[in-house]
Amino acid sequence: EVQLVQSGSEVKMPGESLKISCKGFGYTFTNNWIAWVRKMPGKGLEWMGIIYPGDSDTRYSPSFQGQVTISADKSINTAFLQWSSLKASDTAMYYCARHISGYSYTPFDFWGQGTLVTVSS
Amino acid sequence: ELVLTQSPGTLSLSPGERAALSCRASQTVISNFLAWYQQKPGQAPRLLIYGASSRATGIPDRFSGSGSGTDFTLTISRLEPEDFAVYYCQQYGTSPYTFGQGTELEIK
Repeated sequence: EVQLVQSGSEVKMPGESLKISCKGFGYTFTNNWIAWVRKMPGKGLEWMGIIYPGDSDTRYSPSFQGQVTISADKSINTAFLQWSSLKASDTAMYYCARHISGYSYTPFDFWGQGTLVTVSS
Repeated sequence: ELVLTQSPGTLSLSPGERAALSCRASQTVISNFLAWYQQKPGQAPRLLIYGASSRATGIPDRFSGSGSGTDFTLTISRLEPEDFAVYYCQQYGTSPYTFGQGTELEIK
């Protein structure tokens, strides 16, 4: 069974760094693009960027370029989303999602359960 | 960036009624690479429709998608109580692969 299991909720202070994770189970992790999607409270879904774990090819939305870093470690079937200096406006639920195939121009068929990030002083 | 505009923002209907949700793109969606997702409170989104009109695995046939180019519609033929949720369209033909702002389908 395909599953994406995300790391747990985080509470951080502004200026702190953070790295959250998304581990894939039940399929060949290197064969499908993984996306990160943000959902801010009361708002819609926002596509942040994607990574191909097979070769770490990464693409970002212009809205998130330079704000976050997406990476992957294929040896442990895990993708990551990290911030070097969090802001209160980064407070949101973050989802990882799997593209259906090895092509990025495909929809998402499996999603992680989400990681809630709260940034507050 | 390709912008998707969903309408209405909120749709109030009763179980058994038919729902039609619209998604309009600011430019042509390449190859009709348009998907619809359903999200319920506390849950991750679920893929309903891809390629504008193909149902994802396990999705009931009361859900259907139509449209092409810049105008797309998700239709739920006969609403069940479990269908009341937020629905998002997403285009995956042009990076960044943007979402619409969502339509909330609420019980009247």
